[in-house]
Amino acid sequence: NAGVTQTPKFQVLKTGQSMTLQCAQDMNHEYMSWYRQDPGMGLRLIHYSVGAGITDQGEVPNGYNVSRSTTEDFPLRLLSAAPSQTSVYFCASSTSWGNEQFFGPGTRLTVL
Amino acid sequence: GENVEQHPSTLSVQEGDSAVIKCTYSDSASNYFPWYKQELGKRPQLIIDIRSNVGEKKDQRIAVTLNKTAKHFSLHITETQPEDSAVYFCAGGGGGADGLTFGKGTHLIIQP
Repeated sequence: NAGVTQTPKFQVLKTGQSMTLQCAQDMNHEYMSWYRQDPGMGLRLIHYSVGAGITDQGEVPNGYNVSRSTTEDFPLRLLSAAPSQTSVYFCASSTSWGNEQFFGPGTRLTVL
Repeated sequence: GENVEQHPSTLSVQEGDSAVIKCTYSDSASNYFPWYKQELGKRPQLIIDIRSNVGEKKDQRIAVTLNKTAKHFSLHITETQPEDSAVYFCAGGGGGADGLTFGKGTHLIIQP
């Protein structure tokens, strides 16, 4: 099993550009999440999904969109990138909120 | 929603000594409390977790204790080693449909 994979590993954008961060898992997990990690702020939940076709907002959803058309994939879209979105983004999956979350390797995004 | 506070933000201990990291939570419905370790440039990985029906759990040199009445839980690492140097995150949740909430992290430094 590959576990949770994310692409790209690094990305530099200009303010106003849009892009999609890809996340995929091969463990047949229903629950998938996107977090951003900023120095001194821990891991903050952006959006999550409890199954295909179901998504919901987390703590910091503004400026991001998600969709979940399959169990395996959970892409995160930045609509119009801003410098405040410079961060490391982690995707995670689990069988439920009450069980281990498996994290992907992360995407380091810089917005100029 | 859940609010998780974590202390201290930085902890420096001598190799071989014990380290204790403390977290408090606000939502009495939370029933799952994991601890994650994140090495520099790597993804967070689960090291131990505890559920609300258990007061203490041990795994070799690490242990977690939970006090539901006071709404706090702690990570204990004994006989610390250089490879224990990392950032540690606590989290709480599992009681509802809105995900896990993470603390801001503790940077543990093991002094030789």
